[in-house]
Amino acid sequence: AQSVTQPDIHITVSEGASLELRCNYSYGATPYLFWYVQSPGQGLQLLLKYFSGDTLVQGIKGFEAEFKRSQSSFNLRKPSVHWSDAAEYFCAVGVPGAQKLVFGQGTRLTINP
Amino acid sequence: IAGITQAPTSQILAAGRRMTLRCTQDMRHNAMYWYRQDLGLGLRLIHYSNTAGTTGKGEVPDGYSVSRANTDDFPLTLASAVPSQTSVYFCASSDTGVPDTQYFGPGTRLTVL
Repeated sequence: AQSVTQPDIHITVSEGASLELRCNYSYGATPYLFWYVQSPGQGLQLLLKYFSGDTLVQGIKGFEAEFKRSQSSFNLRKPSVHWSDAAEYFCAVGVPGAQKLVFGQGTRLTINP
Repeated sequence: IAGITQAPTSQILAAGRRMTLRCTQDMRHNAMYWYRQDLGLGLRLIHYSNTAGTTGKGEVPDGYSVSRANTDDFPLTLASAVPSQTSVYFCASSDTGVPDTQYFGPGTRLTVL
């Protein structure tokens, strides 16, 4: 069965600094890959997704993610974070033909002023 | 457009009581999902429905039941609540299932005492 690991439970960065959130998946072929963001007290919102093609995916709010097949990774990046980026971020995997997503444990992002 | 609404927003429930969490979407999406979110575990799929009249079991279905009588509504029922069902519950929908984007409701915080 597929699985998703987000190694970092909590990350703190300063406003204006760059950000990278890690995501590793376990699946035999190329899955569908997603990053969602959850602001406090809110539901989840899709940031970006990868199905095929260009391995660098652009999303909303200035985020991007890169799919690396050799490393089974789909890390999320942002060149310069803003205080409003403080939230919990979830990586998810979808298997072709299956009807569900498998979510990672989440990474909580704190922004220092 | 409201998207997905969930009710109630929060609820405190005595163990052994029956509870139905409501979920309604106005996007005419075919697929709907129920997740529970627990600290350190991310989101786990409880039940899903690919289209009206059909349902399926997710990762953690025990103690929960669902029905999908029409396209818009997807209620989740706890027949006899137990404290381990204390969680935040999210309903989601997507047009045709994975890999379509899933849109999430604001969640229901349920406490079982």
